[in-house]
Amino acid sequence: EVQLVESGGGLVQPGGSLRLSCAASGFTFNNYWMHWVRQVPGKGLVWVASINSYGSTTDYADSVKGRFTISRDNAKNTLDLQMNSLRAEDTAVYYCACVRVDVWGKGTTVTVSS
Amino acid sequence: QAVVTQEPSLTVSPGGTVTLTCGSSTGAVTSGHYPYWFQQKPGQAPRTLVYDTSNKHSWTPARFSGSLLGGKAALTLSGAQPEDEADYYCLLSYSAVCVFGTGTKVTVL
Repeated sequence: EVQLVESGGGLVQPGGSLRLSCAASGFTFNNYWMHWVRQVPGKGLVWVASINSYGSTTDYADSVKGRFTISRDNAKNTLDLQMNSLRAEDTAVYYCACVRVDVWGKGTTVTVSS
Repeated sequence: QAVVTQEPSLTVSPGGTVTLTCGSSTGAVTSGHYPYWFQQKPGQAPRTLVYDTSNKHSWTPARFSGSLLGGKAALTLSGAQPEDEADYYCLLSYSAVCVFGTGTKVTVL
């Protein structure tokens, strides 16, 4: 079955860190760019970060640049997002996605609150 | 960072045709922005409908088509069905950054 499964979400205090992971299966993971996308419930989609198929090129939204790091392990078919210096405005559902082949995870919720 | 603008809401009659557009604050949208279109229904993850302006997956209903129109990316729904009621988002690539559009809520009524 083609799927992406996120994990690692939860409640964290402002200034804290969290690492999200995404496990891929059922498609040739190492052929494609991968993305993290977030969404506050009831609001629009926001692109967070992307990584190329080799893991050698990473791109970030201005709002997370310098705080978040995207990475991948093609041997393990996993995608990660290390989130540091978290802020209340980072609270959202985080999706990992391979948009090119229309594979999306169900999302994991990150809540930044004291 | 660029702002990508879509119509906030559109209404289409069952069987009717509606065109959603996706504009960029930096100027005309071109194929070099590799426009994507996504559909999202309540409580669900998004689904990719169109990639690279006009390419569709085998599972994308034939009634959806993507194009460039008047300096914007466009998604046309021809022969709307009740199940097409959803939020639609475009995504544009700007070299090292991607930006989602503001989203369009489509009502089939």
